[in-house]
Amino acid sequence: DAGVIQSPRHEVTEMGQEVTLRCKPISGHDYLFWYRQTMMRGLELLIYFNNNVPIDDSGMPEDRFSAKMPNASFSTLKIQPSEPRDSAVYFCASSIGGQPQHFGDGTRLSIL
Amino acid sequence: QKEVEQDPGPLSVPEGAIVSLNCTYSNSAFQYFMWYRQYSRKGPELLMYTYSSGNKEDGRFTAQVDKSSKYISLFIRDSQPSDSATYLCASFTGGFKTIFGAGTRLFVKA
Repeated sequence: DAGVIQSPRHEVTEMGQEVTLRCKPISGHDYLFWYRQTMMRGLELLIYFNNNVPIDDSGMPEDRFSAKMPNASFSTLKIQPSEPRDSAVYFCASSIGGQPQHFGDGTRLSIL
Repeated sequence: QKEVEQDPGPLSVPEGAIVSLNCTYSNSAFQYFMWYRQYSRKGPELLMYTYSSGNKEDGRFTAQVDKSSKYISLFIRDSQPSDSATYLCASFTGGFKTIFGAGTRLFVKA
C-alpha cells in the first residue's frame, strides 16, 4: 500500500519567495497533520484537518503560514514570504480516527 | 514541564546488547502510547502501539507502559546495527493531538 506521499523531497529557495509543500495522505484516512521538525524544537504540530476541515491551527507560527485541504487526497502547506528561520523538515502525517499517525518522508526546506 | 520527556542521548551500545529506551509523561489522561523509529532523512515510522498499561511484544521489541509511575519503555533485544536510529515516544488521550518526546538517538556498533 502506498504510504503518505510528500513533494518535493528537497526545496532550496531564497528568502522572500513563496514555498508550497504538498501531501497526499493514505487513502481512507480522515485526519491529516502537518508537522515541522528541527534539532532545537523536535516535532511541532502546525495544523491538522478532519474530513478536509481545519480543526486546530494553533501551531502555525505566523500568518505567513497557511494550509489547505481541497479534497481528501491532497493538502498543501504554503509559506509566503519565506524566511531563513523557516528552514526545517516538514512532515505530513495521516490517520484513521483515533489511531496512530503514519508519516511521509518529509520535505527538507532550506531558505537562503 | 513538557508533557512527554525523553532523554535525547545519544546512546551507544555494542551489537547484541539489550537496549532500554525510556520516557516519562505528565498527563494522566493519556491512554495511547506509541514508539516511532526515525532513520536519517526519513519520516517517523510507527514501531509499537499500546493502549493503557501493560506490555506488548513484537519480535525483538517490547513496549511497556506503567501508568502508576507515568513511565513508558521500549526494550530492544539482540540489538543490530540496523537498529541505529532515533526513537520517539508519543502519547495521546484518544483525541487527535499526539504529543511526541524529543527522541533518543541510538547507535549500535558492529
